[in-house]
Amino acid sequence: AIRITQSPSSLSASTGDRVTITCRASQGISSYLAWYQQKPGKAPKLLIYAASTLQSGVPSRFSGSGSGTDFTLTISCLQSEDFATYYCQQYYSYPLAFGQGTKVEIK
Amino acid sequence: EVQLVESGGGLVKPGRSLRLSCTASGFTFGDYAMSWFRQAPGKGLEWVGFIRSKAYGGTTEYAASVKGRFTISRDDSKSIAYLQMNSLKTEDTAVYYCTRDGETGYFDLWGRGTLVTVSS
Repeated sequence: AIRITQSPSSLSASTGDRVTITCRASQGISSYLAWYQQKPGKAPKLLIYAASTLQSGVPSRFSGSGSGTDFTLTISCLQSEDFATYYCQQYYSYPLAFGQGTKVEIK
Repeated sequence: EVQLVESGGGLVKPGRSLRLSCTASGFTFGDYAMSWFRQAPGKGLEWVGFIRSKAYGGTTEYAASVKGRFTISRDDSKSIAYLQMNSLKTEDTAVYYCTRDGETGYFDLWGRGTLVTVSS
């Protein structure tokens, strides 16, 4: 099974900051990686798929990059509504696997 | 409105069974695979399993942690997917989410989830 290591597990940032979250797969997964945002008590929301394709309706301050084993989610200018937990997910093979999550908190 | 609504969660004793339902609306249910995920309190997301559409044979796949205990089925005439959970363990305590699965591997439509608590 493919394992996903996500870092950091949490970070503190201020509105307007640039934030970067990384995921590393235990083996190459091409570009079969998605990113989700989850707020407390809510279901995850798809942000990015195919490593870098923005889901319809997601603000352009979110971007994804990477292929193979190393991936990055960047929020270019953090907004108040972006404080949440972010997960990456590989879909190269089953079982599907998620990173452990990154909680983005207000500094 | 395109949506998924889970139901059937609750408190159940270890070793007992529970069946969750996921009712879909606003899209052609039979055209999609349906997946289930769960999230233990304060923890991350875990894939549970999925059922393919009838066009792809309606077959199922499961995570190792639930294989042999959980069964996913579907009733396309009612637009409902089911998660039958048997021999429940305390570690199955989680919010269970269903998702629409376009056979892409990523998930753009999630239900709000239903909480299952396994405790004596």
